[in-house]
Amino acid sequence: NAGVTQTPKFRVLKTGQSMTLLCAQDMNHEYMYWYRQDPGMGLRLIHYSVGEGTTAKGEVPDGYNVSRLKKQNFLLGLESAAPSQTSVYFCAGQQESNTEAFFGQGTRLTVV
Amino acid sequence: LAKTTQPISMDSYEGQEVNITCSHNNIATNDYITWYQQFPSQGPRFIIQGYKTKVTNEVASLFIPADRKSSTLSLPRVSLSDTAVYYCLVGNDYKLSFGAGTTVTVRA
Repeated sequence: NAGVTQTPKFRVLKTGQSMTLLCAQDMNHEYMYWYRQDPGMGLRLIHYSVGEGTTAKGEVPDGYNVSRLKKQNFLLGLESAAPSQTSVYFCAGQQESNTEAFFGQGTRLTVV
Repeated sequence: LAKTTQPISMDSYEGQEVNITCSHNNIATNDYITWYQQFPSQGPRFIIQGYKTKVTNEVASLFIPADRKSSTLSLPRVSLSDTAVYYCLVGNDYKLSFGAGTTVTVRA
Protein backbone atom coordinates (compact mmCIF):
# COMPACT_ATOMS: atom_id res chain seq x y z
CA ASN A 1 0.00 0.00 0.00
CA ALA A 2 1.97 2.96 -1.30
CA GLY A 3 -0.61 5.67 -0.52
CA VAL A 4 -0.21 8.75 -2.70
CA THR A 5 2.86 8.76 -4.94
CA GLN A 6 4.12 11.62 -7.11
CA THR A 7 6.42 11.27 -10.09
CA PRO A 8 8.96 12.80 -10.58
CA LYS A 9 10.34 14.19 -7.32
CA PHE A 10 12.53 16.81 -8.98
CA ARG A 11 12.61 18.37 -12.43
CA VAL A 12 14.28 21.26 -14.18
CA LEU A 13 12.60 22.62 -17.29
CA LYS A 14 13.53 25.27 -19.79
CA THR A 15 11.02 27.99 -20.50
CA GLY A 16 8.55 26.79 -23.11
CA GLN A 17 9.05 23.09 -22.48
CA SER A 18 6.18 20.85 -21.53
CA MET A 19 5.88 18.13 -18.93
CA THR A 20 3.39 15.99 -17.05
CA LEU A 21 3.37 15.28 -13.35
CA LEU A 22 1.80 12.02 -12.28
CA CYS A 23 -0.09 11.42 -9.06
CA ALA A 24 -0.98 7.82 -8.33
CA GLN A 25 -3.00 6.55 -5.39
CA ASP A 26 -3.97 3.06 -4.27
CA MET A 27 -6.37 4.15 -1.54
CA ASN A 28 -9.52 4.26 -3.70
CA HIS A 29 -9.83 8.02 -3.27
CA GLU A 30 -12.71 9.69 -5.05
CA TYR A 31 -11.31 13.18 -4.74
CA MET A 32 -7.88 14.20 -5.91
CA TYR A 33 -6.15 17.57 -5.87
CA TRP A 34 -3.13 19.38 -7.26
CA TYR A 35 -1.61 22.22 -5.24
CA ARG A 36 1.39 24.44 -5.64
CA GLN A 37 3.36 25.89 -2.77
CA ASP A 38 5.72 28.81 -3.13
CA PRO A 39 8.37 29.68 -0.52
CA GLY A 40 6.88 30.85 2.77
CA MET A 41 3.32 30.49 1.54
CA GLY A 42 0.44 28.14 2.00
CA LEU A 43 -0.86 25.71 -0.59
CA ARG A 44 -2.88 27.03 -3.50
CA LEU A 45 -5.32 24.78 -5.30
CA ILE A 46 -4.63 24.42 -9.04
CA HIS A 47 -7.18 21.83 -10.17
CA TYR A 48 -9.15 19.08 -8.55
CA SER A 49 -11.25 16.04 -9.44
CA VAL A 50 -14.30 14.62 -7.71
CA GLY A 51 -14.21 11.34 -9.59
CA GLU A 52 -12.94 9.45 -12.59
CA GLY A 53 -13.44 11.45 -15.76
CA THR A 54 -14.15 14.75 -13.98
CA THR A 55 -11.92 17.75 -13.36
CA ALA A 56 -12.48 21.30 -12.17
CA LYS A 57 -10.49 24.50 -11.79
CA GLY A 58 -9.13 25.63 -8.46
CA GLU A 59 -7.89 29.10 -7.54
CA VAL A 60 -4.77 29.19 -9.76
CA PRO A 61 -5.52 27.05 -12.86
CA ASP A 62 -3.94 29.19 -15.59
CA GLY A 63 -1.08 27.52 -17.42
CA TYR A 64 -2.04 24.04 -16.23
CA ASN A 65 -4.23 21.23 -17.48
CA VAL A 66 -5.29 18.02 -15.79
CA SER A 67 -6.80 14.68 -16.62
CA ARG A 68 -8.31 11.84 -14.61
CA LEU A 69 -8.89 9.04 -17.07
CA LYS A 70 -8.45 6.41 -14.37
CA LYS A 71 -9.61 6.75 -10.79
CA GLN A 72 -6.19 6.03 -9.36
CA ASN A 73 -4.26 8.59 -11.44
CA PHE A 74 -4.44 12.37 -11.63
CA LEU A 75 -2.14 14.03 -14.15
CA LEU A 76 -1.02 17.65 -14.10
CA GLY A 77 0.30 19.07 -17.36
CA LEU A 78 2.30 22.17 -18.15
CA GLU A 79 2.03 22.86 -21.88
CA SER A 80 4.54 25.70 -22.01
CA ALA A 81 6.47 26.13 -18.78
CA ALA A 82 7.22 29.62 -17.45
CA PRO A 83 9.58 30.70 -14.67
CA SER A 84 6.52 31.72 -12.63
CA GLN A 85 5.63 28.04 -12.44
CA THR A 86 8.74 27.28 -10.42
CA SER A 87 7.28 25.82 -7.27
CA VAL A 88 6.74 22.70 -5.21
CA TYR A 89 3.71 20.74 -6.37
CA PHE A 90 1.69 18.54 -4.07
CA CYS A 91 -0.95 16.02 -4.96
CA ALA A 92 -3.55 14.83 -2.49
CA GLY A 93 -6.31 12.26 -2.36
CA GLN A 94 -9.41 12.03 -0.22
CA GLN A 95 -11.98 9.29 0.18
CA GLU A 96 -14.92 11.68 0.57
CA SER A 97 -15.55 15.17 1.85
CA ASN A 98 -14.72 15.92 5.47
CA THR A 99 -12.34 12.99 5.72
CA GLU A 100 -8.58 12.87 6.07
CA ALA A 101 -6.67 13.91 2.96
CA PHE A 102 -3.41 12.16 2.13
CA PHE A 103 -0.63 14.07 0.42
CA GLY A 104 2.20 12.96 -1.79
CA GLN A 105 5.81 13.80 -1.06
CA GLY A 106 5.89 16.69 -3.50
CA THR A 107 7.56 17.53 -6.81
CA ARG A 108 10.09 20.34 -6.87
CA LEU A 109 9.93 21.98 -10.28
CA THR A 110 12.33 24.65 -11.48
CA VAL A 111 11.75 26.48 -14.74
CA VAL A 112 14.77 28.35 -16.07
CA LEU B 1 -15.69 28.35 2.21
CA ALA B 2 -15.32 30.04 5.58
CA LYS B 3 -12.41 32.43 5.88
CA THR B 4 -9.96 31.58 8.65
CA THR B 5 -7.52 33.73 10.59
CA GLN B 6 -4.66 32.32 12.62
CA PRO B 7 -1.40 33.75 13.98
CA ILE B 8 1.49 33.84 11.58
CA SER B 9 3.98 32.40 14.05
CA MET B 10 4.41 31.14 17.60
CA ASP B 11 7.45 30.24 19.64
CA SER B 12 7.58 27.69 22.41
CA TYR B 13 9.98 25.55 24.42
CA GLU B 14 10.24 21.81 24.77
CA GLY B 15 7.78 20.36 27.25
CA GLN B 16 5.34 23.26 27.05
CA GLU B 17 1.79 23.16 25.81
CA VAL B 18 1.13 25.06 22.59
CA ASN B 19 -2.32 26.43 21.81
CA ILE B 20 -3.10 27.80 18.36
CA THR B 21 -6.39 29.63 17.94
CA CYS B 22 -8.13 29.91 14.59
CA SER B 23 -10.94 32.41 14.00
CA HIS B 24 -13.72 31.51 11.56
CA ASN B 25 -16.54 33.96 12.18
CA ASN B 26 -18.58 32.98 9.10
CA ILE B 27 -18.51 29.23 9.68
CA ALA B 28 -21.55 27.51 8.20
CA THR B 29 -23.79 25.04 9.99
CA ASN B 30 -22.42 22.07 8.07
CA ASP B 31 -18.76 23.06 8.24
CA TYR B 32 -16.14 20.92 9.93
CA ILE B 33 -12.87 22.21 11.41
CA THR B 34 -9.74 20.36 10.39
CA TRP B 35 -6.07 20.89 11.24
CA TYR B 36 -3.08 19.80 9.22
CA GLN B 37 0.63 19.84 10.04
CA GLN B 38 3.39 20.39 7.51
CA PHE B 39 7.10 19.78 8.00
CA PRO B 40 9.63 21.37 5.65
CA SER B 41 9.85 19.64 2.27
CA GLN B 42 6.88 17.39 3.05
CA GLY B 43 3.20 17.40 2.22
CA PRO B 44 0.67 18.33 4.92
CA ARG B 45 -0.47 15.65 7.31
CA PHE B 46 -3.88 15.40 8.94
CA ILE B 47 -3.86 16.02 12.69
CA ILE B 48 -7.41 16.28 13.94
CA GLN B 49 -10.96 17.18 12.96
CA GLY B 50 -14.00 18.29 14.90
CA TYR B 51 -17.47 19.75 14.63
CA LYS B 52 -18.21 20.94 18.14
CA THR B 53 -17.04 20.67 21.78
CA LYS B 54 -13.77 18.81 22.25
CA VAL B 55 -11.96 16.18 20.28
CA THR B 56 -8.80 14.43 21.43
CA ASN B 57 -6.49 11.95 19.77
CA GLU B 58 -2.99 10.68 20.43
CA VAL B 59 -1.43 13.80 18.92
CA ALA B 60 -3.56 16.79 19.87
CA SER B 61 -6.80 18.17 21.23
CA LEU B 62 -9.24 20.43 19.46
CA PHE B 63 -11.46 22.76 21.47
CA ILE B 64 -14.51 24.29 19.81
CA PRO B 65 -16.76 26.69 21.75
CA ALA B 66 -20.51 26.57 21.44
CA ASP B 67 -20.73 29.38 18.88
CA ARG B 68 -18.09 27.63 16.72
CA LYS B 69 -16.64 30.97 15.59
CA SER B 70 -13.18 29.92 16.67
CA SER B 71 -11.27 26.78 17.53
CA THR B 72 -8.06 26.01 19.40
CA LEU B 73 -5.57 23.32 18.55
CA SER B 74 -3.68 22.19 21.64
CA LEU B 75 -0.37 20.37 21.39
CA PRO B 76 0.64 18.94 24.77
CA ARG B 77 4.29 18.86 25.85
CA VAL B 78 5.83 19.78 22.52
CA SER B 79 9.23 18.58 21.41
CA LEU B 80 11.68 19.91 18.83
CA SER B 81 10.09 17.61 16.26
CA ASP B 82 6.79 19.50 16.55
CA THR B 83 8.36 22.48 14.78
CA ALA B 84 6.15 22.82 11.71
CA VAL B 85 3.46 24.86 10.02
CA TYR B 86 -0.08 24.22 11.26
CA TYR B 87 -3.08 24.90 9.06
CA CYS B 88 -6.68 25.42 10.12
CA LEU B 89 -9.27 24.49 7.48
CA VAL B 90 -13.00 25.08 7.70
CA GLY B 91 -15.50 23.68 5.23
CA ASN B 92 -17.97 20.95 4.44
CA ASP B 93 -17.12 19.86 0.95
CA TYR B 94 -14.28 18.33 -0.92
CA LYS B 95 -12.36 21.52 -1.71
CA LEU B 96 -9.52 21.83 0.76
CA SER B 97 -8.45 25.45 1.11
CA PHE B 98 -5.19 26.21 2.90
CA GLY B 99 -4.24 29.63 4.22
CA ALA B 100 -0.73 30.67 5.24
CA GLY B 101 -0.87 28.66 8.45
CA THR B 102 0.92 29.18 11.76
CA THR B 103 4.62 28.49 11.96
CA VAL B 104 5.36 26.94 15.34
CA THR B 105 8.99 26.92 16.41
CA VAL B 106 9.95 24.79 19.39
CA ARG B 107 13.24 25.61 21.07
CA ALA B 108 15.33 23.52 23.46
